[in-house]
Amino acid sequence: EVQLVESGGGLVKPGGSLRLSCAASGFTFSSYSMNWVRQAPGKGLEWVSSISSSSSYIYYADSVKGRFTISRDNAKNSLYLQMNSLRAEDTAVYYCARGVVVAATHWFDPWGQGTLVTVSS
Amino acid sequence: SYVLTQPPSVSVAPGKTARITCGGNNIGSKSVHWYQQKPGQAPVLVIYYDSDRPSGIPERFSGSNSGNTATLTISRVEAGDEADYYCQVWDSSSDPHYVFGTGTKVTVL
Repeated sequence: EVQLVESGGGLVKPGGSLRLSCAASGFTFSSYSMNWVRQAPGKGLEWVSSISSSSSYIYYADSVKGRFTISRDNAKNSLYLQMNSLRAEDTAVYYCARGVVVAATHWFDPWGQGTLVTVSS
Repeated sequence: SYVLTQPPSVSVAPGKTARITCGGNNIGSKSVHWYQQKPGQAPVLVIYYDSDRPSGIPERFSGSNSGNTATLTISRVEAGDEADYYCQVWDSSSDPHYVFGTGTKVTVL
């Protein structure tokens, strides 16, 4: 069974840092792109960042560019998101999602259960 | 950047058909994917590549995409279909990124 388990969320002050992790199991992690998607309380889904299977391609949403860094360790079947200079508007549930890339399109399947990040003083 | 617009809410009686639209400029030239999210749960893929269903998703869920509108159709709606639904595309512009629709809350009357 494919499983994605996020960890590392919590309460952090504005300007602070946090590192999220996503442990993957049940599939060949090194063969898939991986992603972070977030959802602010009561709001819709917002894509945050993506990393290709070998880390050759990395993309960020404009809202986090320069502050967040995505990385992966294929030997440990793990995905990470280093979040610096956090702002109140970064408060959200952060989901880890496996990427499926077929021809000219990409989608997410499956998703982890998410980890809550709260930025507040 | 590319924008996907969905109606905020759709209400439907049990056994009837719900149609959720996703509007975007020439969206018919892109592949659209749909997710279902129930309260307190992670999103689940229900349609990919405009109209394909992942294993385990009922045949009652179908999709179409043409022109400026993609549509998710839920036939013979059940109480368990009450959820938020999001469309999504991959925008392969000079700055590649994923785009989600604004989301639609489906209420079963």
